[in-house]
Parts: sequence; C-alpha cells; structure tokens
Amino acid sequence: GESVGLHLPTLSVQEGDNSIINCAYSNSASDYFIWYKQESGKGPQFIIDIRSNMDKRQGQRVTVLLNKTVKHLSLQIAATQPGDSAVYFCAESNQAGTALIFGKGTTLSVSS
Amino acid sequence: EAGVAQSPRYKIIEKRQSVAFWCNPISGHATLYWYQQILGQGPKLLIQFQNNGVVDDSQLPKDRFSAERLKGVDSTLKIQPAKLEDSAVYLCASRVAGSSGANVLTFGAGSRLTVL
Repeated sequence: GESVGLHLPTLSVQEGDNSIINCAYSNSASDYFIWYKQESGKGPQFIIDIRSNMDKRQGQRVTVLLNKTVKHLSLQIAATQPGDSAVYFCAESNQAGTALIFGKGTTLSVSS
Repeated sequence: EAGVAQSPRYKIIEKRQSVAFWCNPISGHATLYWYQQILGQGPKLLIQFQNNGVVDDSQLPKDRFSAERLKGVDSTLKIQPAKLEDSAVYLCASRVAGSSGANVLTFGAGSRLTVL
C-alpha cells in the first residue's frame, strides 16, 4: 500500500545549528502533509502543515518545504534547541477527511 | 481548552486476558480516531468515528479488537483476548481544522499496554 516514510531514522545536531528532517511520500493524490513532534511518553504534537498546492510554509522557527516533482517533504528547524529533541513524523492526508497516514519517524537529538 | 483525555496511562496484562481503554476527546470534536503505535514505529490507524458512526475500521483486527462511541463523545477500545503483539501505545485523537485546512489531529498522551 501507499505510505509516507522518512529518509533517516536518527539525526544528531549541536544546539544552535539548523536541522533538516526529510520525508519521502508515495501517494501523489495526497492533499495535505503534516509534521508532528513526539516527545517521550507523550502523544504526537502538531507542528506545521502544508497543502499540496503550496511549495513552502513558515512557522515559528520551522519551515516546511514540499517538492511534488520528487515527492519529497522536509522540515527545517532554525537554531535548534535541546527542547527540540524528539521523534518527528511526517503524515499525509487527503481532502476527503480520511485519517492521517504516518511514516516511521526521525529521532532528533540536540546536544548543548 | 482541555485536551484529549485517555486512561489508563499504563496497563500490564497476561496474554489471553482482556483490556479496555477510554478516551474523552476535545469538546465538540465530532471525529475521533484510535491509533496503535508499536515501539519505534509511527502511529497506525485502527478506527475512525464520525459522531457515533464508524467511518473506517478496515485496519481493526475485528476478531479481537472492538471499539464504540455510543453517544458520540467518549469512546472505548477493547482487546479480548490480548496477544503478545498487541503490546503498544494506544493513542486517541480528535480532529481540528488546521490553518491550511488539513485534517490536523490532536492526540492524547496514550495508553501503554504491555502483554506478558
């Protein structure tokens, strides 16, 4: 079946660096893509979303880029902080309101 | 606003026993989801409700899993009998409208099940 996956299972950065977390998706019919952050012992927490007719969206310290040509999604975190350490998941959704399909996740470790 | 409430947070049972998890979504959220998250993996949808009706239960192992949302608010997920491979975190989520119109789900903290 179609699913959303991530390129790397782990990413280690220094505090203050910029982080880039990547995701490849296979369903070209998906309308929305969403990034979630999951800290240990907690449920996933919404970070940012982007619609398929957009290339880029910016939030507070985060930017999501969508490249539909190569079916690639990325999350950029500026000035990464120790509190950003978590597992990051990308997920896809379609306009019909069906549930999100999640990828396997990337564990981000930030050292100070 | 209050978040999605789940209980119990932790449960340890032996295989072939039964267990039930409870979820109270955000007030007014008509859509409720149960996800299963096995250690090291992303959440996987088990069932989706719209009010008290089932929208999608195609990935629910119906021989042992059941879920209900009788009054369109709270929901329970039951496993009977449990197997070792059911050890996971069971996440409940309810739906909000995201800034881009996406199906942004708000998750509870989850119920961690260990089957021995």
